[in-house]
Amino acid sequence: DQQVKQNSPSLSVQEGRISILNCDYTNSMFDYFLWYKKYPAEGPTFLISISSIKDKNEDGRFTVFLNKSAKHLSLHIVPSQPGDSAVYFCAATPTGTASKLTFGTGTRLQVTL
Amino acid sequence: NAGVTQTPKFRILKIGQSMTLQCTQDMNHNYMYWYRQDPGMGLKLIYYSVGAGITDKGEVPNGYNVSRSTTEDFPLRLELAAPSQTSVYFCASSTWGGTGELFFGEGSRLTVL
Repeated sequence: DQQVKQNSPSLSVQEGRISILNCDYTNSMFDYFLWYKKYPAEGPTFLISISSIKDKNEDGRFTVFLNKSAKHLSLHIVPSQPGDSAVYFCAATPTGTASKLTFGTGTRLQVTL
Repeated sequence: NAGVTQTPKFRILKIGQSMTLQCTQDMNHNYMYWYRQDPGMGLKLIYYSVGAGITDKGEVPNGYNVSRSTTEDFPLRLELAAPSQTSVYFCASSTWGGTGELFFGEGSRLTVL
């Protein structure tokens, strides 16, 4: 039972354009959502998060949008840069229980010149 | 600033052998975690610890054991290695378990033949 789904295994975007990575979840108990970024041969690193009391959170070029009614969140990267090429994992948890963090399968983003 | 350090980075085991993956963190984090990542899958939680002397099972604990004698160290023991344990293992830590902002090590790639 995949409670956090990233249906696009890969995405290719030109440098300077917007990258949109999508994530869907099924568990209504999830109320805190995170995006992690992973380069090859490295561990994931935390990128940005959002609580269910918000519908948008921005950090520089990265914005996460949350649509609770649709159980959908998305990560927007504007403008995309070659250094953004990585695998992006969506994760979700009920607040206060990081031990129950559930990860999606990841989307590999390639930003081309 | 070392962060979370895992050893070894690579290991090949024969079926039935045992080994310990080492993990140490220098950030004085109370929470520590072990995840595994199989190809095309998200990270699955094996075990976690909320402090020295306290450990608990995650989603996929079978075939593994952990201990937490100090705040810094959280070794993962594989007993009687099986091919199904071929995976990349990530250790992570966090200040507390509330929001899932984890700091990951670089990973340990284990192959069981």
